[in-house]
Amino acid sequence: DVKVTQSSRYLVKRTGEKVFLECVQDMDHENMFWYRQDPGLGLRLIYFSYDVKMKEKGDIPEGYSVSREKKERFSLILESASTNQTSMYLCASSSRVAADTQYFGPGTRLTVL
Amino acid sequence: GQQLNQSPQSMFIQEGEDVSMNCTSSSIFNTWLWYKQDPGEGPVLLIALYKAGELTSNGRLTAQFGITRKDSFLNISASIPSDVGIYFCAGQGYSSASKIIFGSGTRLSIRP
Repeated sequence: DVKVTQSSRYLVKRTGEKVFLECVQDMDHENMFWYRQDPGLGLRLIYFSYDVKMKEKGDIPEGYSVSREKKERFSLILESASTNQTSMYLCASSSRVAADTQYFGPGTRLTVL
Repeated sequence: GQQLNQSPQSMFIQEGEDVSMNCTSSSIFNTWLWYKQDPGEGPVLLIALYKAGELTSNGRLTAQFGITRKDSFLNISASIPSDVGIYFCAGQGYSSASKIIFGSGTRLSIRP
């Protein structure tokens, strides 16, 4: 079974802190994604990556950056956390040959005070 | 950009009832997907649809890819307590190999 793990289930940070969210997948998938989930807005794509060291902006990249140094790991970085970044963050991965089937991690609920 | 309208936003129904939800898009999709998110977990793919008019079942779940390619619906028959969760539709267009657009979700709650 595909497994996507996220470094924390719950995280509380202060405004202005630098925040790292880590995601690891164990199925050798080429594609990895970061979404945020907010009530009534569904899942919105922040950044995605097709390969190591490659990254593409999603629909809401402002205030975020990403890093993909290894194929299995995709990190989301909040350079200076703000209260409007309080949200559920979901990581996903998919293979190049079955790109429509994304496998999600359990999510990280981030609260910025 | 592409947008998906998913309805209803929430449903509160009796156990044993059938459930229906749908998604409409402002543009054509090549693939329609339905995901379910259990409380405290990430979404899991339920059904994938690849052809206009296609009707696909997965147990008590049935989904259809609309003829216009701009809509899809999901039916759940004889709902049970474990059906509780948030259901997301998602679409993938022709222009991008991997980017998927998600609807806002339908939250299903069931009275035992």
